[in-house]
Amino acid sequence: GESVGLHLPTLSVQEGDNSIINCAYSNSASDYFIWYKQESGKGPQFIIDIRSNMDKRQGQRVTVLLNKTVKHLSLQIAATQPGDSAVYFCAEIRARLGGYNKLIFGAGTRLAVHP
Amino acid sequence: NAGVTQTPKFQVLKTGQSMTLQCAQDMNHEYMSWYRQDPGMGLRLIHYSVGAGITDQGEVPNGYNVSRSTTEDFPLRLLSAAPSQTSVYFCASRLTGTGLYEQYFGPGTRLTVT
Repeated sequence: GESVGLHLPTLSVQEGDNSIINCAYSNSASDYFIWYKQESGKGPQFIIDIRSNMDKRQGQRVTVLLNKTVKHLSLQIAATQPGDSAVYFCAEIRARLGGYNKLIFGAGTRLAVHP
Repeated sequence: NAGVTQTPKFQVLKTGQSMTLQCAQDMNHEYMSWYRQDPGMGLRLIHYSVGAGITDQGEVPNGYNVSRSTTEDFPLRLLSAAPSQTSVYFCASRLTGTGLYEQYFGPGTRLTVT
């Protein structure tokens, strides 16, 4: 069935390097995507979002890129810090005919930042 | 604001027991939802509500009931607990309206069914 998933389950980076977390989605009708960060023992926290009519959106140290041609989403974190260590989820909004939009999450990828 | 609060933080149930997971938010959000999180599965939507008196099913609703009598509260009931319901449960809320998709999550309830 249709799903949102991630290429890499674990990503290890050195402190100060840039991180890139990837996500593939299969529903070409999805028009909104979100990245969440989840630290151990906590609920997911919103990082950044992007609409399907955009290719790129930047936040503070984070950039989300959307490639609709290949249905690929990525989260770039600049100058990765130990506090960035967490599990990152991409999620898509799937519009439901006659109903409300639902947020569907991918499986998640763990980012480990090493000093 | 306390944001989204959930109780209890941890719970152990025996198979067949019932219980209610509590969720409350003080942000006047219309939309509230329940997710379960299992290893390697991400978060899956159980039930959601777009306002008091209105609820609907998500991806994995079987074995769970919800009600929304007030804007603030959205309890999740397990009718007859099964080991397959061992999971971490998250409640979330957000405003409704075009473009308003940022959800705020509670700290979670870790449930073990033996």
